[in-house]
Amino acid sequence: AQSVSQHNHHVILSEAASLELGCNYSYGGTVNLFWYVQYPGQHLQLLLKYFSGDPLVKGIKGFEAEFIKSKFSFNLRKPSVQWSDTAEYFCAVIFLSTDSWGKFQFGAGTQVVVTP
Amino acid sequence: DTGVSQDPRHKITKRGQNVTFRCDPISEHNRLYWYRQTLGQGPEFLTYFQNEAQLEKSRLLSDRFSAERPKGSFSTLEIQRTEQGDSAMYLCASSSTSGSYDNEQFFGPGTRLTVL
Repeated sequence: AQSVSQHNHHVILSEAASLELGCNYSYGGTVNLFWYVQYPGQHLQLLLKYFSGDPLVKGIKGFEAEFIKSKFSFNLRKPSVQWSDTAEYFCAVIFLSTDSWGKFQFGAGTQVVVTP
Repeated sequence: DTGVSQDPRHKITKRGQNVTFRCDPISEHNRLYWYRQTLGQGPEFLTYFQNEAQLEKSRLLSDRFSAERPKGSFSTLEIQRTEQGDSAMYLCASSSTSGSYDNEQFFGPGTRLTVL
């Protein structure tokens, strides 16, 4: 069965530290990959997406993610976090050929807390 | 604000009552999705419309759940005979199949349902 897993449920780090959040999926076919962020009290916002091409994608607010097909991974990174990056981060996958019309499967989310 | 809007933002109801939520997508978007999010989990897909056609509803949680999009614009999600287990955040998203935004979903703020 197709699934999406995020490795960490909670991450606490200090400002200026580097952030890496893991996302893995299980599916042998083609995927569209997304990272969404939900700031406290706000709705889900797209950080970045991968459809095809360069596996290193850059998003908003200094985030980037790398698609490693052989590892079925799409990890999110930011070199230096700020307090304002405190939020919940969701990895989402569209499994093409079965859900090409756009059904997302989301990971469980990672709550990131950045301390001053 | 030209984003996805949902109404109401919060709904408290007693067990056994019916509730209806409304979603207004971004005006030019032809696809509309409903998701449910419970605490500590990522959003879970419920159903999907392309224009007025409901093309996928197998994930609706039970026959107490129904959704409509009568004119291909706004949509409603109804839960009949609510149960305490229905307490969750109900999210709506929309997307367009034209141009470069294919499969990128824009989310509304959600309706938080509490069933007492």
